[in-house]
Amino acid sequence: DTGVSQDPRHKITKRGQNVTFRCDPISEHNRLYWYRQTLGQGPEFLTYFQNEAQLEKSRLLSDRFSAERPKGSFSTLEIQRTEQGDSAMYLCASRRADSVYNEQFFGPGTRLTVL
Amino acid sequence: AQSVTQLDSQVPVFEEAPVELRCNYSSSVSVYLFWYVQYPNQGLQLLLKYLSGSTLVESINGFEAEFNKSQTSFHLRKPSVHISDTAEYFCAVTHSYGGSQGNLIFGKGTKLSVKP
Repeated sequence: DTGVSQDPRHKITKRGQNVTFRCDPISEHNRLYWYRQTLGQGPEFLTYFQNEAQLEKSRLLSDRFSAERPKGSFSTLEIQRTEQGDSAMYLCASRRADSVYNEQFFGPGTRLTVL
Repeated sequence: AQSVTQLDSQVPVFEEAPVELRCNYSSSVSVYLFWYVQYPNQGLQLLLKYLSGSTLVESINGFEAEFNKSQTSFHLRKPSVHISDTAEYFCAVTHSYGGSQGNLIFGKGTKLSVKP
């Protein structure tokens, strides 16, 4: 296992379509985070899981955004009825909850373009 | 609430010159501090971190950062930059208390451009 992976790396969609992104964390990491990064900004926290439990979702940008981690391994982030303002890089990160170093390992991101 | 301010959005510098990328944070609780680097079309890579202990932390590729609690700063420095250091650098903080959700709060980033 070489790190956090995300799929797809790029997604182009038309406004109004639904999209789903996948994140596979480092295998022994029980915490998984989703961030959004828009042009010229730093990553912005969206939500996180500890195992399969979603412990924070109030920062999701709207009710069009949802995330799951059904078996405590991979996670998906879905955006329904996409808007042009959803165009951004979506980053996933993972870590061990008991890590004293609090270090998060990031995937390469999924770049979404909404036309 | 926590926040991070990176004072320079872009820093152009010539190769082999020294560089400092500035970061200030605001928090009412103890924090851990991080610098991440992002190369074009890639994810974030941890450059260095401050958790506790010595206020000067170093990375394996010559960067260093100093935690200054009184000035709430965590500036990143390198005495001599290379072309390959061209990237965007992000300063980030997170709560240090046990049981925190651990999400990172990022600054807006500083684009370092090293010219020959």
